[in-house]
Amino acid sequence: DAGITQSPRHKVTETGTPVTLRCHQTENHRYMYWYRQDPGHGLRLIHYSYGVKDTDKGEVSDGYSVSRSKTEDFLLTLESATSSQTSVYFCAISAHNEQFFGPGTRLTVL
Amino acid sequence: KNEVEQSPQNLTAQEGEFITINCSYSVGISALHWLQQHPGGGIVSLFMLSSGKKKHGRLIATINIQEKHSSLHITASHPRDSAVYICASRVRNFGNEKLTFGTGTRLTIIP
Repeated sequence: DAGITQSPRHKVTETGTPVTLRCHQTENHRYMYWYRQDPGHGLRLIHYSYGVKDTDKGEVSDGYSVSRSKTEDFLLTLESATSSQTSVYFCAISAHNEQFFGPGTRLTVL
Repeated sequence: KNEVEQSPQNLTAQEGEFITINCSYSVGISALHWLQQHPGGGIVSLFMLSSGKKKHGRLIATINIQEKHSSLHITASHPRDSAVYICASRVRNFGNEKLTFGTGTRLTIIP
């Protein structure tokens, strides 16, 4: 599993509240990714990082920000959660030409 | 824009049947990934291939670069193969890699 953990695993929050999801890896991989998974859509890239303090937007980045102050942690923040951000969020790392995924975080915005 | 399409979306088969899941993509890629997602959500990488064919146990993945098409085959299917199978095309751009995912094929194997 490439030592990837996500926290929290489940969260219910209210519209307008800030939410931060954490992805932690233990193997010093350079590339990290945040995806969201919704019914009827494939996994969609939100943001990715190619090193400490180096991040870039994916295809569905609106309403999300990220930070990577340490190699091992990649944080995804919803500044003001909306119901459209109810989803399952997966973190991934890239290693040996493959991507390895964390266990996912199920976020519900009421 | 790279698009990835999978077929069928849903597949139900009897235990022991030979299974084929197809994946088509629209642009040149550096590799094609096949992933498996079980109920409960964890995503596991099955194969990464850029040409030809790979085999792991009862699973076989093939890719035809010219036709922009890949297939995942399962021989002697078993109920534990029931899962969602996802293909993803990988494109490298200035050292960064990005995956574009299909919407998945939900496979159900009936005992």
